[in-house]
Amino acid sequence: EVQLVESGGALVQPGGSLRLSCTGSGFSFSTYAMNWVRQTPGKRLEWLSGISGSGETTHYADSVKGRFTISRDNSKNTLHLQMTSLGTDDTALYYCSFGELFPQFDYWGQGTLVTVSS
Amino acid sequence: EIVLTQSPAILSLSPGERATLSCRASQSVTNYLAWYQQKPGQAPRLLIYDASNRATGVPARFSGRGSGTDFTLTISSLEPEDFAVYYCQQRGKWPPVTFGPGTTVEIK
Repeated sequence: EVQLVESGGALVQPGGSLRLSCTGSGFSFSTYAMNWVRQTPGKRLEWLSGISGSGETTHYADSVKGRFTISRDNSKNTLHLQMTSLGTDDTALYYCSFGELFPQFDYWGQGTLVTVSS
Repeated sequence: EIVLTQSPAILSLSPGERATLSCRASQSVTNYLAWYQQKPGQAPRLLIYDASNRATGVPARFSGRGSGTDFTLTISSLEPEDFAVYYCQQRGKWPPVTFGPGTTVEIK
């Protein structure tokens, strides 16, 4: 059974940084490109970033380019999202996800909550 | 960036009725359009990919059609578990991948 488990969400002050992680199991992790998607308090879904199976190719939404960095450690079946210069607009539930097609979201974790507030 | 518009925002129907949801793209996405269902407290679930292909395990009452800029998700006869929020998502021109704002299907 495919499982994705996110962690690292927290309450952080504006301007702060946070690192999210997502551990995958039940599938060949290194075979699949992975993504981060967030859901705002208003329930909007926003794709943030994607990374190829090898980790060599990355893509970002303009809203996070230069502030967020996606990476992966295939030896540990783990995906990361390093987030810096966080603002209140970054408050959201952050999901990792992947699909049989790229970029598509067949499988999702349960999400990890990031709250940016002073 | 391709903007997806969904209509209506809210669809009020009774169990057994037919639901028709619309998604319109600001530019052509050919057939690279997916639909997701989300229930409260759950992650989204992929229903339809590439406009008309049902994902694994999705009941046959869900169907999708369309190409270019206009797409439709139809639920032929609503079951109680189908009342949820539905999002469309395009991967025709990316980055960025974009999602629509969602349509809520609520019990009338």
